[in-house]
Amino acid sequence: AQKVTQAQTEISVVEKEDVTLDCVYETRDTTYYLFWYKQPPSGELVFLIRRNSFDEQNEISGRYSWNFQKSTSSFNFTITASQVVDSAVYFCALSEREGSQGNLIFGKGTKLSVKP
Amino acid sequence: NAGVTQTPKFRVLKTGQSMTLLCAQDMNHEYMYWYRQDPGMGLRLIHYSVGEGTTAKGEVPDGYNVSRLKKQNFLLGLESAAPSQTSVYFCASSPDRLSSPLHFGNGTRLTVT
Repeated sequence: AQKVTQAQTEISVVEKEDVTLDCVYETRDTTYYLFWYKQPPSGELVFLIRRNSFDEQNEISGRYSWNFQKSTSSFNFTITASQVVDSAVYFCALSEREGSQGNLIFGKGTKLSVKP
Repeated sequence: NAGVTQTPKFRVLKTGQSMTLLCAQDMNHEYMYWYRQDPGMGLRLIHYSVGEGTTAKGEVPDGYNVSRLKKQNFLLGLESAAPSQTSVYFCASSPDRLSSPLHFGNGTRLTVT
């Protein structure tokens, strides 16, 4: 079973639409961290946000917001008023205190295309 | 501040050839990682290191070897390349295992024919 599931493989929206990228995780640890990364067409991986398991407060940064809900094991990412520059692959990732794989476990990514 | 630097950026190998990918970081991070990225598969951990002189296997270690002789460098070797190793390889580093985000290099695109 996947520890990090991003069920949406690809999403296409028109500029100015709002879009939510889903991330569902699985862990037995009580201490863990969740991350979102962005990979634009140029290929580099850009860190967006980190959230620890003890902090369920939602976060907003400009047009970006993140909704962390432990009850549903979800850490969803919403872009408000999307722009063409938001086109990228977005990865959700999990880091567990008792994890055996060294560090981050990545989801398979969601490719977002924002059309003008 | 260079961060994490990977060399080379691109490489084409024939089946059976060998090569080494070099990763260098200037942030004095203890932890370093090698991931591979394949379409539809996300990033999968190949090997990682928790400090100078240490290495450990990740999710997909077969066909690869690594070395961390100096804290700032993490080398990934392919002794006998196979077409299944065609991928984009990313190196990353972090100061700790749990809470810090990874700092990634810009990737190496490897094609094995």
